[in-house]
Amino acid sequence: EADIYQTPRYLVIGTGKKITLECSQTMGHDKMYWYQQDPGMELHLIHYSYGVNSTEKGDLSSESTVSRIRTEHFPLTLESARPSHTSQYLCASSVGGEQYFGPGTRLTVT
Amino acid sequence: QKEVEQDPGPLSVPEGAIVSLNCTYSNSAFQYFMWYRQYSRKGPELLMYTYSSGNKEDGRFTAQVDKSSKYISLFIRDSQPSDSATYLCAMSDNNAGNMLTFGGGTRLMVKP
Repeated sequence: EADIYQTPRYLVIGTGKKITLECSQTMGHDKMYWYQQDPGMELHLIHYSYGVNSTEKGDLSSESTVSRIRTEHFPLTLESARPSHTSQYLCASSVGGEQYFGPGTRLTVT
Repeated sequence: QKEVEQDPGPLSVPEGAIVSLNCTYSNSAFQYFMWYRQYSRKGPELLMYTYSSGNKEDGRFTAQVDKSSKYISLFIRDSQPSDSATYLCAMSDNNAGNMLTFGGGTRLMVKP
């Protein structure tokens, strides 16, 4: 069973605020990912990392940024939240081709 | 056209039924195929991971891949109300943990 954690699980925040979504994994996986998922829709990759100090943008354009200073930690930051950022954000890590997901953060920007 | 197509459902079946969930894809380079189960307000959970064509069985679940038709299936035998969830297919052209391409998910409801 995968040990990957996300905090907060739910967040309601006002427009213009800076927010950081936390993701941690205890499995020592080098590769980590952030996905965005709207209700009933497919997952869209917004960022990924192949290891410490490695970050890349995914398929879906996003105004968020990520950092990877430690293997186990892959936080996502929105400098100025907008209502269009309202969505579910899922973090994952992988060994080989198998990706394991955290429980997600449901973000609502008012 | 999306790279991976999946009927969104919802698919409603009685308890004990055999369920068939399907995905079609267009990229012939895909070789690794996955099925995830996602409960409401949770992250996806990996159910099955298969390589190339053929069948793989795990308990009540069977994954089937037909690369010649670019078609994959997940069968659930003796379905239970606890199987009610959204099922996502995903695929990749490599097993190095690179980007997956997901279907939109099929919502399954198993009624007691």
